[in-house]
Amino acid sequence: DTGVSQDPRHKITKRGQNVTFRCDPISEHNRLYWYRQTLGQGPEFLTYFQNEAQLEKSRLLSDRFSAERPKGSFSTLEIQRTEQGDSAMYLCASSLGEWYQETQYFGPGTRLLVL
Amino acid sequence: EDQVTQSPEALRLQEGESSSLNCSYTVSGLRGLFWYRQDPGKGPEFLFTLYSAGEEKEKERLKATLTKKESFLHITAPKPEDSATYLCAAQAYGGATNKLIFGTGTLLAVQP
Repeated sequence: DTGVSQDPRHKITKRGQNVTFRCDPISEHNRLYWYRQTLGQGPEFLTYFQNEAQLEKSRLLSDRFSAERPKGSFSTLEIQRTEQGDSAMYLCASSLGEWYQETQYFGPGTRLLVL
Repeated sequence: EDQVTQSPEALRLQEGESSSLNCSYTVSGLRGLFWYRQDPGKGPEFLFTLYSAGEEKEKERLKATLTKKESFLHITAPKPEDSATYLCAAQAYGGATNKLIFGTGTLLAVQP
């Protein structure tokens, strides 16, 4: 399977704990995005990487959130001191950016539940 | 502010009953309009990209169209396996990223 993969698929944690999610993009895709989706809503943009550079962060991304993409390959999203409001589906998408078109392909998501 | 609105929120159809889903967008320069399908508990699955007004794309029972203010997803003779949430997203020019701005989706249920 050469699609976007995410790990873990589900995570249950207690409030105040730290969690880390991993995303493996489609091979050779230079762009990687993180989105968050809550029940009944569409995905909302969190952050964007072009290769290893993090070029944009949403206002939704508080100081408790940090993302990395070392060597421009896989990416991790860490949430420190989780809160109940962090409960959501965290989606990763990757694309091969071209000047004329760009299609983002999504992974299966990591569903986070903070108790 | 860039915004995408989808209607209806939910739609129930009988198998074979054709209908259309609406996506209205307000963005400062549309780069692309995307349609995705999302099944429960899964990530969005890419369906179509439309780039300019008047453009149409088809895939099996689905056909997407684009005007300067909205896009439609037409479903012809739907089957129960077409049941899913359909998400519309706009991509705007400018900025450092080509992030997608999503609507809240239309939940489609097709009954046999």
